[in-house]
Amino acid sequence: GEDVEQSLFLSVREGDSSVINCTYTDSSSTYLYWYKQEPGAGLQLLTYIFSNMDMKQDQRLTVLLNKKDKHLSLRIADTQTGDSAIYFCAESIDQGGKLIFGQGTELSVKP
Amino acid sequence: DTAVSQTPKYLVTQMGNDKSIKCEQNLGHDTMYWYKQDSKKFLKIMFSYNNKELIINETVPNRFSPKSPDKAHLNLHINSLELGDSAVYFCASSRGPGEAFFGQGTRLTVV
Repeated sequence: GEDVEQSLFLSVREGDSSVINCTYTDSSSTYLYWYKQEPGAGLQLLTYIFSNMDMKQDQRLTVLLNKKDKHLSLRIADTQTGDSAIYFCAESIDQGGKLIFGQGTELSVKP
Repeated sequence: DTAVSQTPKYLVTQMGNDKSIKCEQNLGHDTMYWYKQDSKKFLKIMFSYNNKELIINETVPNRFSPKSPDKAHLNLHINSLELGDSAVYFCASSRGPGEAFFGQGTRLTVV
């Protein structure tokens, strides 16, 4: 079945690293994505990883994929107050590009 | 330059009315989507079109009818609006199976 799970909330202090976790059930996922949604705004694509990769780094963002455990994580280094938002994990299972989203993790960054 | 634009951004209407939301993308993508985000922030695909052809219809009530006059446009028409239709509707586009770019969303409130 198609299911993507995330924890709902994460609170960190400014300057710390944040790690947002996601698990998915469909082993035929081709791409896995992280989107950011700020209040009242649309979804901004942050980064994505192809399913045959283990890791992808892009400036302050590091994505780790454990395909055996179907676990995806997003690490944000040196978290800033501007990183406060909801982060969605999503998988693409190649049926016309359909994305299956997790429930979103609300990241709160305290000064 | 806005890549995926939706109008209107806000829509307040009475139960039983018919309304339309318009979406346009200037990215040259072949595939466009409509997603619904409910009050708990959960995102779910409604429809997908590839080159004006419907490829995903995710068990949406037939009061919802998408129309794609050309591959740069995907409009959503909703008949006989119900209270439960209140949500944020996002249009998105992608080159194919892969990263999707989202519009800013249309917040629909049915009263």
